[in-house]
Amino acid sequence: SAVISQKPSRDICQRGTSLTIQCQVDSQVTMMFWYRQQPGQSLTLIATANQGSEATYESGFVIDKFPISRPNLTFSTLTVSNMSPEDSSIYLCSVGGSGGAGSDTQYFGPGTRLTVL
Amino acid sequence: KQEVTQIPAALSVPEGENLVLNCSFTDSAIYNLQWFRQDPGKGLTSLLLIQSSQREQTSGRLNASLDKSSGRSTLYIAASQPGDSATYLCATPQGGSEKLVFGKGTKLTVNP
Repeated sequence: SAVISQKPSRDICQRGTSLTIQCQVDSQVTMMFWYRQQPGQSLTLIATANQGSEATYESGFVIDKFPISRPNLTFSTLTVSNMSPEDSSIYLCSVGGSGGAGSDTQYFGPGTRLTVL
Repeated sequence: KQEVTQIPAALSVPEGENLVLNCSFTDSAIYNLQWFRQDPGKGLTSLLLIQSSQREQTSGRLNASLDKSSGRSTLYIAASQPGDSATYLCATPQGGSEKLVFGKGTKLTVNP
């Protein structure tokens, strides 16, 4: 199993500002994933972060808005830039199992609850 | 493209009742299916993972089944308790990746 921590757990921000969310895993993992959960909705993948390479963004998400860093195999950050109230969501990082593509449990962090005023 | 649907969106039951949550998926060529629990404003807790070769998995009062041919999975909760109140999500990897496709969840309320 994997234990994931996120910082901050929640924040209230003003529109136009940026927030960087940190994700720390207790073991080395190849891929880390960033998801967004808008109020009342399910989870949507923002991007996949591999160590040593650029993050891969899903349709509808761009690097300028959600820059991601992956400096090592246990840590990643997601920045929400130039925030608007529509960015109010829970942001979660996750890691997949070590058994290869789609073969093992995925674990999620506790989430960062962001409110933009 | 895989799509996941969960019905009902919400369910309210009295304490002690056995219940079933449903999850359906459009592409039967799945690698696995995972059930999660989410408490309000919190992250996800993994409950059960069923591999594509398995028919069911059990953990305590929870039993998850998988029928790939019909594109369905169910989560059975026995002797429900108020502490089971949460939103239950099912998810399966998109294609050959580890990227999960989620249903919208079933919000369960167990009344004392």
